[in-house]
Amino acid sequence: NAGVMQNPRHLVRRRGQEARLRCSPMKGHSHVYWYRQLPEEGLKFMVYLQKENIIDESGMPKERFSAEFPKEGPSILRIQQVVRGDSAAYFCASSPRQVSYSNQPQHFGDGTRLSIL
Amino acid sequence: KNEVEQSPQNLTAQEGEFITINCSYSVGISALHWLQQHPGGGIVSLFMLSSGKKKHGRLIATINIQEKHSSLHITASHPRDSAVYICAVRTGTASKLTFGTGTRLQVTL
Repeated sequence: NAGVMQNPRHLVRRRGQEARLRCSPMKGHSHVYWYRQLPEEGLKFMVYLQKENIIDESGMPKERFSAEFPKEGPSILRIQQVVRGDSAAYFCASSPRQVSYSNQPQHFGDGTRLSIL
Repeated sequence: KNEVEQSPQNLTAQEGEFITINCSYSVGISALHWLQQHPGGGIVSLFMLSSGKKKHGRLIATINIQEKHSSLHITASHPRDSAVYICAVRTGTASKLTFGTGTRLQVTL
């Protein structure tokens, strides 16, 4: 029973390029959360998605960042025109349903380490 | 002031010692999580609590809702326990987590 799968594990981009981070939730999970961990800082919420819907994007920077979770396939976090400050570890978590209405914890992936040259 | 505060920030212990990591929060919560992160590694969920106490192996987590405080205890610590331990809270009906900055634990032989 595979856990949350994120790929790639490591991604290197030059300034101005695009970064696409993928997250496949655990089997049977339809809710996905993206978090960012800047160097030497704590984790911060970015966005919460259900299949085909963005539920809460209050932690997402207003420009250059977007997220989707299509009906088929993984959730994608997309960063356009990357800058040095985007270098961070990006973690995805999933749950089978809205966690506030259940006792289900979020299950985390191993993260994608993004480095901007 | 952060909504979730952890102490200590760094902790060094010798193998076999009893370890306590503390978490205080300033908001009403619906659940509190303790997470473990190894260097360069992923995040593992250790406990999710909304009241009382939970135990798993050598790990014990407690929460006092009235005092807005939780503790994570490790009994008979081992070098493989060396990791960053993170407290995170879920508030109200929100599904997102708010995290503490973590406690870096090193257990030496």
